[in-house]
Amino acid sequence: DTAVSQTPKYLVTQMGNDKSIKCEQNLGHDTMYWYKQDSKKFLKIMFSYNNKELIINETVPNRFSPKSPDKAHLNLHINSLELGDSAVYFCASSRMRDKQFFGPGTRLTVL
Amino acid sequence: QKEVEQDPGPLSVPEGAIVSLNCTYSNSAFQYFMWYRQYSRKGPELLMYTYSSGNKEDGRFTAQVDKSSKYISLFIRDSQPSDSATYLCAMSRNSGNTPLVFGKGTRLSVIA
Repeated sequence: DTAVSQTPKYLVTQMGNDKSIKCEQNLGHDTMYWYKQDSKKFLKIMFSYNNKELIINETVPNRFSPKSPDKAHLNLHINSLELGDSAVYFCASSRMRDKQFFGPGTRLTVL
Repeated sequence: QKEVEQDPGPLSVPEGAIVSLNCTYSNSAFQYFMWYRQYSRKGPELLMYTYSSGNKEDGRFTAQVDKSSKYISLFIRDSQPSDSATYLCAMSRNSGNTPLVFGKGTRLSVIA
C-alpha cells in the first residue's frame, strides 16, 4: 500500500536525451510537488500542482516540464539533459494546509 | 544569508545518548516547522510537525520552536542505532502545502 510512488527508481542516460519521471499518490491528496536533491543533499522545491493546476514554478530551466493528468499523478519531463541535472528527484503530496509526504526518489545520472 | 541554516555534522553519539539537532532561520514569516528523517537512498519521512512556537513530544522525539529567536530543535532521547540517518528541518509560511524550505540536513550516527 505505497503512498507516494515514483518510477523509475534509477535513471542513467546520456547528455542531450529527453526523459520522464512518473509520480503517483494514493492518499487522496490534491497537491503534488517535485523537489530536487543535489549531491550535497540539499532539497529544493521545483514545482507544485494543486488540482492539476500549476501553482508554484521556482527558477527552473524550461527544459523541465511538469504535467499532471489527474490529481493522483504528477510527471516530470526533462528535455536535452545536461550533466548538472544529475540529482535525486523527489515527488511529494499533501492535502491543502496539511503535511507533505515524500516518495522514494528517482536517482538521475547524466553521462 | 541562507533562509534556513543547519549544521551538516556529521554527529556521532553512543547508543542511549540524548541528541540535540538545531536549525536557525531568517524569515519571520515561517509558521509551520517540520523535521524529516532520511535514511540513505530513501525519501524523507516526516517525524514531527509543529505550528508556531512551543514544544511537541512524540515518543522519544521532542520538537521545540522558539519563533522569537528563530530557532528550532529536535531532541532524541535514548538514541538507538536505528536513529542513524540524516535529519532535515523544514519550514513553510502559510501551511503544509506551501513549498517547504529545507535545511541542508544533519547526518547522525548512533554507535552501539
